[in-house]
Amino acid sequence: AQKVTQAQTEISVVEKEDVTLDCVYETRDTTYYLFWYKQPPSGELVFLIRRNSFDEQNEISGRYSWNFQKSTSSFNFTITASQVVDSAVYFCALSGRRILTGGGNKLTFGTGTQLKVEL
Amino acid sequence: NAGVTQTPKFRVLKTGQSMTLLCAQDMNHEYMYWYRQDPGMGLRLIHYSVGEGTTAKGEVPDGYNVSRLKKQNFLLGLESAAPSQTSVYFCASRPGPGTDTQYFGPGTRLTVL
Repeated sequence: AQKVTQAQTEISVVEKEDVTLDCVYETRDTTYYLFWYKQPPSGELVFLIRRNSFDEQNEISGRYSWNFQKSTSSFNFTITASQVVDSAVYFCALSGRRILTGGGNKLTFGTGTQLKVEL
Repeated sequence: NAGVTQTPKFRVLKTGQSMTLLCAQDMNHEYMYWYRQDPGMGLRLIHYSVGEGTTAKGEVPDGYNVSRLKKQNFLLGLESAAPSQTSVYFCASRPGPGTDTQYFGPGTRLTVL
């Protein structure tokens, strides 16, 4: 079975602090994809990153960085020098090779981490 | 390129009423999905479609029906709304096999009284 755990329900930081959002996953697949999505207060879901299971290189995009470690089944997301605009709910998700009955791959979401960045 | 759009953005229904949520995408994506988002539960898959004319059940399909008569549209129907269907509904699309990234619409907030 696929499972994604985001143990941090809510995190509050002061602007300019660094913050790491944790994501731990479970899957029996050897090939899979991991994702992070951002849901700002306006409600839409914004795709941030996709990482496949064969690529353990860390990725940096501006103030965002992602640390993928297969040994610990984790795909953590760090925001450096946080800003108020980073306040949002962040979802980690997993897509394995497990095929849905009607075709396609199942995307499993974590329950999200609410990040509040205050002045 | 509007991406994925959803109509309506908000709706309030009384128990027993019916309604249809419309999802449209202009990216020529093969796969489309309907999710519901409830507090503390993340997103759960209701129904999905891997191509025009095909639909299939997801994790929580009861009380919903879907249709995909045109490639660009995916409709979600509630025949007899219940308070338990109060939720935020998201539509997503994906290019097709070989790429797993799903792109989401802005959501529809539905309240059933």
